[in-house]
Amino acid sequence: GQSLEQPSEVTAVEGAIVQINCTYQTSGFYGLSWYQQHDGGAPTFLSYNGLDGLEETGRFSSFLSRSDSYGYLLLQELQMKDSASYFCAVRVRYGQNFVFGPGTRLSVLP
Amino acid sequence: DTGVSQNPRHKITKRGQNVTFRCDPISEHNRLYWYRQTLGQGPEFLTYFQNEAQLEKSRLLSDRFSAERPKGSFSTLEIQRTEQGDSAMYLCASTPTWGDTDTQYFGPGTRLTVL
Repeated sequence: GQSLEQPSEVTAVEGAIVQINCTYQTSGFYGLSWYQQHDGGAPTFLSYNGLDGLEETGRFSSFLSRSDSYGYLLLQELQMKDSASYFCAVRVRYGQNFVFGPGTRLSVLP
Repeated sequence: DTGVSQNPRHKITKRGQNVTFRCDPISEHNRLYWYRQTLGQGPEFLTYFQNEAQLEKSRLLSDRFSAERPKGSFSTLEIQRTEQGDSAMYLCASTPTWGDTDTQYFGPGTRLTVL
């Protein structure tokens, strides 16, 4: 089976830094992606890691350790608009079948 | 490029009725995915097309669900004899075959309510 784990909720204040972790147990692994979803909206792509290490995209960074089956999304200089749900997703086969985690709801407080 | 579109945005139906949803992917994207998402959960994979070929279907998908992509462009997802447990958001996503294949572009979804 496929299993991804994330914290269900995280709360932080504006301007802070927050890290959302994701651990996975899947039948295959071709990369870890992160998506943001605002209430009532569609998931939007944030970041992708195919190899170990850190990927940085503006205020967002994502990290992957394949040996630990672990990754995280780092959000810096939090803004109110970052309040949303964040999902990690694993591609378990090349070109096919992304498996999503249960999501982490981030609340950014003033 | 107008993004991925889905119709209808909302569908309310009575248990036992059939419903059909449509997804129009980004025009140059060859891969198309259907997902189901319930409140507080992540998207759950249903099926995947490359062009007109349905290459994978989730074992969780019952025989009441069928999807098509007849000309390799738009896709339809049909649910027959709907049940209350089918109430969910149905999301469509597309990716190109080459290049940026790891980014899925999602449509706004069709919210299904089965009474």
